[in-house]
Amino acid sequence: EVQLVESGGGLVQPGGSLRLSCAASGFTFSAHYMDWVRQAPGKGLEWIGRITNNPNSYTTNYAASVKGRFTISRNESQNSLYLHMSSLKTEDTAVYYCARDWRTALDYWGQGTLVTVSS
Amino acid sequence: QSALTQPPSASGSPGQSVTISCTGTSSDVGGYNYVSWYQQHPGKAPRLMIYEVTKRPSGVPDRFSGSKSGNTASLTVSGLQAEDEADYYCNSYAGSNNFVFGTGTKVTVL
Repeated sequence: EVQLVESGGGLVQPGGSLRLSCAASGFTFSAHYMDWVRQAPGKGLEWIGRITNNPNSYTTNYAASVKGRFTISRNESQNSLYLHMSSLKTEDTAVYYCARDWRTALDYWGQGTLVTVSS
Repeated sequence: QSALTQPPSASGSPGQSVTISCTGTSSDVGGYNYVSWYQQHPGKAPRLMIYEVTKRPSGVPDRFSGSKSGNTASLTVSGLQAEDEADYYCNSYAGSNNFVFGTGTKVTVL
């Protein structure tokens, strides 16, 4: 059974940093691109970014709203995906989902982890 | 990259059909056959319903269908059931390994 489990969310002050993790199981992690998507309270889904699966040359892409502040990485040996967030703003408050990329769609999602940016 | 435009709401009685539009530009929806649709119930993670404009993943009822014409993609739910009441989001590849979601549509089963 494919499972994605996010962790690391919590309360952080504006300007602060946080690292989210996503533990993957039930599939060949190294065979898939992986994405992060967020959803602000009461709002719609926002694609944040994606990382490819070539360990010799990972490629990452980001939405303009987070480019330069967020970094996606992965660890194949631990079947884990990460989202490093810095210079956090109040508008970054959201539930953050990791998702498996399959044929340019997101076929499995985690349950999400809440990040609250507030002083 | 601006969000794709969806109607805020749509509704239908049980057994009826409802169609949700998703309007973008020639740089996203119109430029690629990589439109996907997601269903989200309150407090739950999204679920993939349609990929590559028209294809259904295993386990998705054939009541759900997708199409595209020009810069507008559509999701049709036929034979509406109570459990179809949810938020629906489209998503499109937008070139250069970027993606964009739609604004979302709340479907109500009357």
